[in-house]
Amino acid sequence: AQSVTQLDSHVSVSEGTPVLLRCNYSSSYSPSLFWYVQHPNKGLQLLLKYTSAATLVKGINGFEAEFKKSETSFHLTKPSAHMSDAAEYFCVEGPSGGYNKLIFGAGTRLAVHP
Amino acid sequence: NAGVTQTPKFRVLKTGQSMTLLCAQDMNHEYMYWYRQDPGMGLRLIHYSVGEGTTAKGEVPDGYNVSRLKKQNFLLGLESAAPSQTSVYFCASMGRGGPKETQYFGPGTRLLVL
Repeated sequence: AQSVTQLDSHVSVSEGTPVLLRCNYSSSYSPSLFWYVQHPNKGLQLLLKYTSAATLVKGINGFEAEFKKSETSFHLTKPSAHMSDAAEYFCVEGPSGGYNKLIFGAGTRLAVHP
Repeated sequence: NAGVTQTPKFRVLKTGQSMTLLCAQDMNHEYMYWYRQDPGMGLRLIHYSVGEGTTAKGEVPDGYNVSRLKKQNFLLGLESAAPSQTSVYFCASMGRGGPKETQYFGPGTRLLVL
């Protein structure tokens, strides 16, 4: 069965330092991959998506992610963290299957310290 | 263009009570989904719909029913609420463009079952 693994449940960084949130997917074919962000008590907002075009995908708020098929990874990065980046981040695979089902990772909570 | 909206935002129920959560989208999307979010588990699909008048079960359908009488609305019903249904519920919608499509999420409904 397809699965998405977010390798860290919590990541803590200082403001102004780089952010790395790690994600591995399990599909044997080239999937569609997404990163969503959820701020406290808010819905999910799309950060970026990979759909088999360029392997380096740029998203909103300075985030980007690189698709590496050889490593089945889709890690999210940002050069310099801002306090407003503190949130939960979900790596998602899909749509797939007959009903375009999304497969969610368990989430990574990012804390940003002054 | 309001996107995806959910009603209510928050609700407290007693065990055994019933309620209906309403999801509405104004993007003319074919696909609609109901998810629940529990700590450390990402989002899990409850039910989904691929068009007006059609619904189907997702990963965790037990205890829930759904209806899609109008294309823009997707209702989630709890006939007899249980404490295990305490969760945050998210609705999402998506167009029918295939793997490159994005699911758009509502702001969520927090449900507490006592």
